[in-house]
Amino acid sequence: QKEVEQDPGPLSVPEGAIVSLNCTYSNSAFQYFMWYRQYSRKGPELLMYTYSSGNKEDGRFTAQVDKSSKYISLFIRDSQPSDSATYLCAMSSNRDDKIIFGKGTRLHILP
Amino acid sequence: DGGITQSPKYLFRKEGQNVTLSCEQNLNHDAMYWYRQDPGQGLRLIYYSQIVNDFQKGDIAEGYSVSREKKESFPLTVTSAQKNPTAFYLCASSISPTGNTEAFFGQGTRLTVV
Repeated sequence: QKEVEQDPGPLSVPEGAIVSLNCTYSNSAFQYFMWYRQYSRKGPELLMYTYSSGNKEDGRFTAQVDKSSKYISLFIRDSQPSDSATYLCAMSSNRDDKIIFGKGTRLHILP
Repeated sequence: DGGITQSPKYLFRKEGQNVTLSCEQNLNHDAMYWYRQDPGQGLRLIYYSQIVNDFQKGDIAEGYSVSREKKESFPLTVTSAQKNPTAFYLCASSISPTGNTEAFFGQGTRLTVV
């Protein structure tokens, strides 16, 4: 089983819809969870950063962490064509120096 | 402005040549990382460094070398031993070397072997 699993997509949704992006993981030591957005031919930019379980909201974006299920989600409300990008989840633990990334989900918002 | 600068943006290499990719950060971060990104493969860790003069191999270190002589600089050399070097290379940094803070990325270097 891979440490972090993420559906590569592509995921196509109409403008204005709520988008749900997800990752599952196997390492119970992960405590720090991140979501990055990457436009084509650019470096990833950090969207959300959360510690342990719970929700975090920032504008149209909400990150959820369910450590009991080893499952994290990113919700995008009122999706816009400019949200079209690849979204990468990432996570790390106190015991390891490495940040582990999912393979990314390609998202297309259709105008 | 603070950030991470990678150069060059595009790089072409002839087979058998070594090339060095530059990564500089002015965020005063302790930890720096090099990732390789290929289509369908996600980000794969090449090397990482927690502090100056120290670095560790990541998952795909063969054919690569790094140095960390200064806190703000972490250059990556792609050697001729790397059999498939064409890829998008990303440098990142984070405040803490223990992995418990978020990483910030540069804009990447696209390396092509010609």
